[in-house]
Amino acid sequence: GENVEQHPSTLSVQEGDSAVIKCTYSDSASNYFPWYKQELGKGPQLIIDIRSNVGEKKDQRIAVTLNKTAKHFSLHITETQPEDSAVYFCAASLNTGNQFYFGTGTSLTVIP
Amino acid sequence: NAGVTQTPKFQVLKTGQSMTLQCAQDMNHEYMSWYRQDPGMGLRLIHYSVGAGITDQGEVPNGYNVSRSTTEDFPLRLLSAAPSQTSVYFCASATWGGHEAFFGQGTRLTVV
Repeated sequence: GENVEQHPSTLSVQEGDSAVIKCTYSDSASNYFPWYKQELGKGPQLIIDIRSNVGEKKDQRIAVTLNKTAKHFSLHITETQPEDSAVYFCAASLNTGNQFYFGTGTSLTVIP
Repeated sequence: NAGVTQTPKFQVLKTGQSMTLQCAQDMNHEYMSWYRQDPGMGLRLIHYSVGAGITDQGEVPNGYNVSRSTTEDFPLRLLSAAPSQTSVYFCASATWGGHEAFFGQGTRLTVV
């Protein structure tokens, strides 16, 4: 089955700096890669996603890049704000919204 | 619009007891799934369903049963709880043809 690895497990940045979280996956058939943000005591919430036919996608301060050849994808958050502090999960899926393989999460702390 | 609703939010069980975690969605989504979240391990898929009457196993199905008699409901049953099932459980739903999964708020289960 699919194996998704995520790094780093914890990340601290100063407010206004950028944060980068990286994930690798093992199954070349995976073609959908979402990123979820989880705040304390809540369920994960989708913040951005990318499909395998796209190399990069941006939404305001958040961007995701995908390298299918190397089987890795990354989340980039620019101009970080304290409200960006949360746990972020990457995931991989075989073209379905039903079966996700998640990374182990990155706890991001933005220091004011 | 309630989205995905999980009950209860917290539960303590004794080893060997049984219980059902409830999950309901009001978005008419075909796909529903259950994940467990453990520290350092991300979210792992337990069982999933692609429609009423259809269920299948995920990564970690042992010790759990599911059924899907209606589109809206997808209960998760623990027949004989074990301490290894102490975890936070998340239910998710998604629409066929789409990709975004919507998560509930989670059920924190402790088995003593």
